[in-house]
Amino acid sequence: QKEVEQNSGPLSVPEGAIASLNCTYSDRGSQSFFWYRQYSGKSPELIMFIYSNGDKEDGRFTAQLNKASQYVSLLIRDSQPSDSATYLCAVSSTLGRLYFGRGTQLTVWP
Amino acid sequence: DVKVTQSSRYLVKRTGEKVFLECVQDMDHENMFWYRQDPGLGLRLIYFSYDVKMKEKGDIPEGYSVSREKKERFSLILESASTNQTSMYLCASSIPTGVSISPLHFGNGTRLTVT
Repeated sequence: QKEVEQNSGPLSVPEGAIASLNCTYSDRGSQSFFWYRQYSGKSPELIMFIYSNGDKEDGRFTAQLNKASQYVSLLIRDSQPSDSATYLCAVSSTLGRLYFGRGTQLTVWP
Repeated sequence: DVKVTQSSRYLVKRTGEKVFLECVQDMDHENMFWYRQDPGLGLRLIYFSYDVKMKEKGDIPEGYSVSREKKERFSLILESASTNQTSMYLCASSIPTGVSISPLHFGNGTRLTVT
């Protein structure tokens, strides 16, 4: 079983702040990394994916990957109350499957 | 946009019943997956399929089977439902890629309650 660990949370930040979500993984062969957002009672929706070391930015979201440290993070700048959700980190295995962390619950308060 | 449709949003079944959960995707994706999601346990892979008539066990296949007779449809079968199979079931699909795998696209989920 491949391990994907996320900071357990819950994480609470004020509106306008930067929210930082972290994820570590055990499989050194992992090549693909994803962040999903899941609102309560809904299915996960893809926010970002990253395949290479470094940063990848999309609007207010930045994914950061460090394969040497087996670490991937998601930064949300200018957090909004609508960002309040559970964020799931997903990591590919060498067999081409995805393993998910248990999620970090984020609350952005006005 | 990719559309993954699960046939039921909510389902209530009795212990011992045979239960079918249906999933259809409209983007000609080769890969299809069934997960269950439980509080505190996250998403766990039950079965997946990379092609028609092909299936592979995931991490928790016990008590489940699947069927993929057509590319767009992937069915999850609970042979004899038990209360510990009460859960949210999520179907997903993706395109096949090389070393880097493509994102999963999820359906809306089926919340199954077994009484």
